[in-house]
Amino acid sequence: EAGVAQSPRYKIIEKRQSVAFWCNPISGHATLYWYQQILGQGPKLLIQFQNNGVVDDSQLPKDRFSAERLKGVDSTLKIQPAKLEDSAVYLCASSLDWRGTGPGEQYFGPGTRLTVT
Amino acid sequence: GNSVTQMEGPVTLSEEAFLTINCTYTATGYPSLFWYVQYPGEGLQLLLKATKADDKGSNKGFEATYRKETTSFHLEKGSVQVSDSAVYFCALSGDMRFGAGTRLTVKP
Repeated sequence: EAGVAQSPRYKIIEKRQSVAFWCNPISGHATLYWYQQILGQGPKLLIQFQNNGVVDDSQLPKDRFSAERLKGVDSTLKIQPAKLEDSAVYLCASSLDWRGTGPGEQYFGPGTRLTVT
Repeated sequence: GNSVTQMEGPVTLSEEAFLTINCTYTATGYPSLFWYVQYPGEGLQLLLKATKADDKGSNKGFEATYRKETTSFHLEKGSVQVSDSAVYFCALSGDMRFGAGTRLTVKP
């Protein structure tokens, strides 16, 4: 079974530029999550989708971050414009349904490491 | 809101030593509790979970018991190996709160 795919793996941009990340979840997984992991900290949930609807985006900085999941499969996360404090690893995860295979069990992708200079 | 407080690291142990990583939480309702592990150069993966009070999750020699009365989910292993060196994260379901992570280094 293929895992969660993310691209790119690394990205370096200057502040005020825009960037987009892509995620392809495990086939059949209805729920998709985007996390931000700053160095030395645990992952912080940015947004959760079930199919193509948003379940929770309470911690998404909506003035600069946006995310979509068209057709309930792939998802993109965009930052526009980027700030220095956005430097982090952006993780995508998926689970089989609202509560996963067992409540909340998620499968994580390798992440995209973003550096904003 | 929900929160997870995890033992600060880093933790350095000798091979075959006993490991405890403390995790406490605050939450409304009855969340499920998880330990995730991140090995060097790899992504996060589920280590074990418990879905209700007094449940014990176990995997690869690691154990954790869901203690509702102390709101804790401490991770333990009786004899660690060099291959257990990784960062360990405690998490709870619902809004998926993660602890800050504890880096474990096991020396031969």
